[in-house]
Amino acid sequence: SQKIEQNSEALNIQEGKTATLTCNYTNYSPAYLQWYRQDPGRGPVFLLLIRENEKEKRKERLKVTFDTTLKQSLFHITASQPADSATYLCALVGTDKLIFGTGTRLQVFP
Amino acid sequence: KAGVTQTPRYLIKTRGQQVTLSCSPISGHRSVSWYQQTPGQGLQFLFEYFSETQRNKGNFPGRFSGRQFSNSRSEMNVSTLELGDSALYLCASSLSPNSRGTGELFFGEGSRLTVL
Repeated sequence: SQKIEQNSEALNIQEGKTATLTCNYTNYSPAYLQWYRQDPGRGPVFLLLIRENEKEKRKERLKVTFDTTLKQSLFHITASQPADSATYLCALVGTDKLIFGTGTRLQVFP
Repeated sequence: KAGVTQTPRYLIKTRGQQVTLSCSPISGHRSVSWYQQTPGQGLQFLFEYFSETQRNKGNFPGRFSGRQFSNSRSEMNVSTLELGDSALYLCASSLSPNSRGTGELFFGEGSRLTVL
């Protein structure tokens, strides 16, 4: 069956460290993969899109990698700050619609 | 420019009632997608409308329906409400169809529905 898996357990890290979140998928062959941030009680906000022919993409302190062989995307936040605390969702196109993972909650403590 | 607007933000209904939620997309966006979000299931795709046509539908019963108007505004309706319909209903608009995955979705703040 088709699955998008993100670590359901919260990731707790100290301010200043690099946070790494994982998105694994099975039985999909996405040409694009997206990452979103969601704060409690708010709608998700788009962060980055990476194409299958791009190994890595950066935006300020964010970096996303996309390994189509491993069927995995990694999302990194360098020099993390308490304001980065949120849930991060990956999304890809499956069966003609954008499908979201359940998200990983990141907590950055001072 | 104004973002995606969803109304109402909060509502409480009882089992058996019906509800209509509204979504105004970003000006110029022709695609509107609806998602249901619950703590256990995450974001579940309901349906997508593009230029007034339903392009795709998720795995939800026929009690869930929607439509899109010529100005791209969209509504979704849930009839015969059940307790399990309690959720955050999110609307997202985009320039290109959701299915291509090439463009970002702009989400509204959602409509929080509680069914008692």
